Amino acid sequence: GAVVSQHPSRVICKSGTSVKIECRSLDFQATTMFWYRQFPKQSLMLMATSNEGSKATYEQGVEKDKFLINHASLTLSTLTVTSAHPEDSSFYICSATLSSGESEQFFGPGTRLTVL
Amino acid sequence: LAKTTQPISMDSYEGQEVNITCSHNNIATNDYITWYQQFPSQGPRFIIQGYKTKVTNEVASLFIPADRKSSTLSLPRVSLSDTAVYYCLVADNNAGNMLTFGGGTRLMVKP
Repeated sequence: GAVVSQHPSRVICKSGTSVKIECRSLDFQATTMFWYRQFPKQSLMLMATSNEGSKATYEQGVEKDKFLINHASLTLSTLTVTSAHPEDSSFYICSATLSSGESEQFFGPGTRLTVL
Repeated sequence: LAKTTQPISMDSYEGQEVNITCSHNNIATNDYITWYQQFPSQGPRFIIQGYKTKVTNEVASLFIPADRKSSTLSLPRVSLSDTAVYYCLVADNNAGNMLTFGGGTRLMVKP
């Protein structure tokens, strides 16, 4: 149980386009989902915390207008990278916690974004 | 101020026991210690979590001294497939609490 999926797993786009990444909790309800970004050989950096039905909380330095997060249901959160540029190329990972109150975070497999 | 400090990298050989120590001098009373494993181009995978003393599961053991200012992840008899980055995190054990990842330890298991 407690599986988190991401779609797409890999995306290549042209500079200036917008890319949407989906994060789904497949067999549980997730009140809270998190979005991370990871550059090569580096650790995961938290971008934002997404709570179902409310606005996301962004970490310092993360532009909310560039990285749009929508958490419309207890099983789906989306991250849209608007007007993507090559410097946005990264590995984007989401995670989710159970609504039941347990603290363990379950991570998705990640999405590799390459902006040409 | 970093919440956790780990060695950047470690090398080991197949069949050996590997111990990775993490320092968390500023751990709070409500914080739990959690270890994750990450393979290249994959999301992190939960390994083990503990609050104090010793915790053991089917893949690892976690040793936490009384002062809780450090912890040691012990991997028995590692194999090549254990080559990965291991992250130690400390966080309040409440749902919805954000995790702050440190640098992690890159473990290389050699044949």
